[in-house]
Amino acid sequence: GQNIDQPTEMTATEGAIVQINCTYQTSGFNGLFWYQQHAGEAPTFLSYNVLDGLEEKGRFSSFLSRSKGYSYLLLKELQMKDSASYLCAVMPGGSYIPTFGRGTSLIVHP
Amino acid sequence: DADVTQTPRNRITKTGKRIMLECSQTKGHDRMYWYRQDPGLGLRLIYYSFDVKDINKGEISDGYSVSRQAQAKFSLSLESAIPNQTALYFCATRDSRSGNTIYFGEGSWLTVV
Repeated sequence: GQNIDQPTEMTATEGAIVQINCTYQTSGFNGLFWYQQHAGEAPTFLSYNVLDGLEEKGRFSSFLSRSKGYSYLLLKELQMKDSASYLCAVMPGGSYIPTFGRGTSLIVHP
Repeated sequence: DADVTQTPRNRITKTGKRIMLECSQTKGHDRMYWYRQDPGLGLRLIYYSFDVKDINKGEISDGYSVSRQAQAKFSLSLESAIPNQTALYFCATRDSRSGNTIYFGEGSWLTVV
């Protein structure tokens, strides 16, 4: 089966940097997603990593280490609107069915 | 207009009633999924479909059924709703030919009383 772990909640200050970690154990691997979800809304796509390394996209970056079963999402220059839940999802080998972690609720305060 | 549309967006129903949630997409994607979301439990897969008339059970399929009669539509049914099926339901799509990104509908809030 699949096991995906991420912290339940994090807080940070506006303008700061925050790193949200995700560890996983899956049967095979076909990529890892990060989604952002505001309360009561649909998850929106942030990033997809399938190779090791860092992918940068504006204020958001995502890192993957397949050998360690580890990823992180880095958010820079935090804004109040970044307060949301961040979902880590892994696509295991063979099935291409994404499995989601429980999400990390990020609270950004002034 | 949203590419993945769910109806109804909100519904309150009584225990034992049959309820259907509909999902329609204009993206031309072959793969469609139904997830439910509960506080603290994240998104859990109910059913998924790789193409028309292809149906596969997910992690929590008991108490649910689905239908995929056309590529653009994937409906979820609760034959006899129970209170612990109160949740936020999401339909999602993916194009297996051109990428791995999953696109979500706006969600359907279902309350069973």
